[in-house]
Amino acid sequence: DQQVKQNSPSLSVQEGRISILNCDYTNSMFDYFLWYKKYPAEGPTFLISISSIKDKNEDGRFTVFLNKSAKHLSLHIVPSQPGDSAVYFCAASLRASYGKLTFGQGTILTVHP
Amino acid sequence: KAGVTQTPRYLIKTRGQQVTLSCSPISGHRSVSWYQQTPGQGLQFLFEYFSETQRNKGNFPGRFSGRQFSNSRSEMNVSTLELGDSALYLCASSATGLSNYGYTFGSGTRLTVV
Repeated sequence: DQQVKQNSPSLSVQEGRISILNCDYTNSMFDYFLWYKKYPAEGPTFLISISSIKDKNEDGRFTVFLNKSAKHLSLHIVPSQPGDSAVYFCAASLRASYGKLTFGQGTILTVHP
Repeated sequence: KAGVTQTPRYLIKTRGQQVTLSCSPISGHRSVSWYQQTPGQGLQFLFEYFSETQRNKGNFPGRFSGRQFSNSRSEMNVSTLELGDSALYLCASSATGLSNYGYTFGSGTRLTVV
């Protein structure tokens, strides 16, 4: 039972445009959501997070939106840069669930110059 | 400051053998979590340790075990290796183990079972 799903295996965008990565979840008890970026042969790198009590969080070019009623979150990258090309994972955690993140399958983002 | 260090980076083992992987967390971090990444199952949580105590465990067989030392360094052990154990094993360190404080991942150990 996959509780966090990223239905798009890949996404291709032009440099300077917006990248929108989507993530759906099934467990309404998740209270914290995170996005990680991963390059080959490296571990995931934290990008941005959002608490379930918020619906938006911004950090520079990255914005995460949370729609609790739809159990959906999205990551917007504006403007996209070639260096953003990587695998993006969304993850969710339960309150007081120590160390445990439930990850989606990842979306490969390619930003073309 | 130094990041999360995992050793070795690559490992090849034979079916039936056992293996031990090591993780040194960021200085001051007392929580260490372990994950397995495979193409089919993605990133899956194995277990979490804090101050030498396992506080959380994922759905993996008992062949997967871990421990944490007083300096917060952690090891995970897989006994009686199976071909399906071939994966990238990642550890993550955190000050508290709670997600809102963030987790920092190491670069992983790539285990190949032949």
